Amino acid sequence: IAGITQAPTSQILAAGRRMTLRCTQDMRHNAMYWYRQDLGLGLRLIHYSNTAGTTGKGEVPDGYSVSRANTDDFPLTLASAVPSQTSVYFCASREQSEQFFGPGTRLTVL
Amino acid sequence: AQTVTQSQPEMSVQEAETVTLSCTYDTSESDYYLFWYKQPPSRQMILVIRQEAYKQQNATENRFSVNFQKAAKSFSLKISDSQLGDAAMYFCAYRPAYSGAGSYQLTFGKGTKLSVIP
Repeated sequence: IAGITQAPTSQILAAGRRMTLRCTQDMRHNAMYWYRQDLGLGLRLIHYSNTAGTTGKGEVPDGYSVSRANTDDFPLTLASAVPSQTSVYFCASREQSEQFFGPGTRLTVL
Repeated sequence: AQTVTQSQPEMSVQEAETVTLSCTYDTSESDYYLFWYKQPPSRQMILVIRQEAYKQQNATENRFSVNFQKAAKSFSLKISDSQLGDAAMYFCAYRPAYSGAGSYQLTFGKGTKLSVIP
């Protein structure tokens, strides 16, 4: 049972570089989400997708973009990373009322 | 906008004792879901318990139970017979029942770090 996988597990990135965080689910859920977790702030929604081909902005979307070409994959792209994007990133999918989370990616931008 | 407040950044409990974590929320909706998530050092987010606002009965999952006070907008988590494995960050989260074309996103509190003393 895989559920949701995220890659990479962790990454150190130079400021100004482009980075794509990968997220894949095998549960065929329509809705998917990207959250960032910062110390003392809990998890905040970056972008979401209710179904393949559609995306929407969450609470903190600036500096990030997403795409949803198919049901299983929901990559998150940082076009030009900045130090304030240092965080732990969680991908999630939803079935009815419950969200299922991936293991997270720890990203450090120097 | 909905907000979720966890007023206890850190708490500790003696092994085998009972501890209660507090959560309050603000919403104008009448139907919604509330959740408690556990995040151990492995950082995996684990759903502990879920409460549907239209249900008056408090949810229970083994040693975990909630005290849901809808009028007071309060949703506390009680952990009975605490075990060393209960040590983790605990997050309270809110989700509206209906979101139209919206996200059905979870709104999280800032978390409570629970330590269990042997």
